Amino acid sequence: EAGVAQSPRYKIIEKRQSVAFWCNPISGHATLYWYQQILGQGPKLLIQFQNNGVVDDSQLPKDRFSAERLKGVDSTLKIQPAKLEDSAVYLCASSLGLGTDSTDTQYFGPGTRLTVL
Amino acid sequence: AQTVTQSQPEMSVQEAETVTLSCTYDTSESDYYLFWYKQPPSRQMILVIRQEAYKQQNATENRFSVNFQKAAKSFSLKISDSQLGDAAMYFCAYRSGNFGNEKLTFGTGTRLTIIP
Repeated sequence: EAGVAQSPRYKIIEKRQSVAFWCNPISGHATLYWYQQILGQGPKLLIQFQNNGVVDDSQLPKDRFSAERLKGVDSTLKIQPAKLEDSAVYLCASSLGLGTDSTDTQYFGPGTRLTVL
Repeated sequence: AQTVTQSQPEMSVQEAETVTLSCTYDTSESDYYLFWYKQPPSRQMILVIRQEAYKQQNATENRFSVNFQKAAKSFSLKISDSQLGDAAMYFCAYRSGNFGNEKLTFGTGTRLTIIP
């Protein structure tokens, strides 16, 4: 079974530029998550999708970050314009979407490491 | 809001020995789940072990086991017979049992080094 795919793996941009990340979840997984992991910290949720609907985007900086999952499968996360503090690893995760079932494991992709200069 | 605290930024252990990683959490919820995730260098995060808060029995997965103390809000991970492949960042994570709130809240991690 293929895992969660993310691209690109690395990205270096100047501040005020825009950038987009792509995620393809495990086939059949209804729930998709984007987490931001700043160096030395644990991942923090940015947005959660259930199929193509947003469940939780309370910690997404909406003035510069946007995300979509148009057909309920793959997803893109965009930053425009980027700031220095956006330097982080952006992790995508997916799960079957069983709700509160403890066996609804979140599987993580390899992440995209973003450096903003 | 829930918080997860890992007070050991780094730990080291001799190969084949046992090590315990600490985690405490704060929540007002009664229904929740706790997880330990492993993140090897430059590799993706994988689930090590999970614990349902309503279960009194501590979870075990081969060489990995937890000590879940619900009243103390403590959730430590014990790794027995440590192997070189266990070297990684270990994250403790909390998940609410409330529908629509399935996000994971992570601690800051513990970097585990295995000494050959």
